Amino acid sequence: AQSVTQLGSHVSVSEGALVLLRCNYSSSVPPYLFWYVQYPNQGLQLLLKYTSAATLVKGINGFEAEFKKSETSFHLTKPSAHMSDAAEYFCAVTPSSGSARQLTFGSGTQLTVLP
Amino acid sequence: EPEVTQTPSHQVTQMGQEVILRCVPISNHLYFYWYRQILGQKVEFLVSFYNNEISEKSEIFDDQFSVERPDGSNFTLKIRSTKLEDSAMYFCASSPTGASSYNEQFFGPGTRLTVL
Repeated sequence: AQSVTQLGSHVSVSEGALVLLRCNYSSSVPPYLFWYVQYPNQGLQLLLKYTSAATLVKGINGFEAEFKKSETSFHLTKPSAHMSDAAEYFCAVTPSSGSARQLTFGSGTQLTVLP
Repeated sequence: EPEVTQTPSHQVTQMGQEVILRCVPISNHLYFYWYRQILGQKVEFLVSFYNNEISEKSEIFDDQFSVERPDGSNFTLKIRSTKLEDSAMYFCASSPTGASSYNEQFFGPGTRLTVL
């Protein structure tokens, strides 16, 4: 079974500071990995995805994530936080092979950006 | 840009009542999903649907739940006899088929279900 662990349920950064949201996965084979963002009272929006091509993945709004197989990690970063980045961020995993297509989500990290 | 839509945005019901949550997936997508998020908890998979049948379901998706694609555009989740613990945000998602889809799922805005 696959699982995802997000370290830190709440992260606060100052505007302009580096954003680092952590995600570690557990899977017998390298899976596909995703980061979703949820703004208040809205649905889940895909930020970026890893699908076994480049290990450094760039997404929308200046976010990127690096897949590190040796560390089973897929941490999300952004060089300079903006107030509009305040939201909840979810890491998710799905098998890269087979017919199973369900996403397994982490527990989420609430990002607060301080002025 | 095409998007998944869900109605209603908020549903309040009495315990024991039946509810139907509605979703309109993106028109050329072939896989459909329901997830739920209990307040303060993680998003959980309920069921996936492909080719007019359930392809996967979680242990949460018991006999009280059913899904249907009654026509070419809607995808519904029915809860036959709601319980207090069914109170949650329910998300519908859809994804295209084919190797290029990489299981990317597009989510709707959710329906908040409150069971009293």
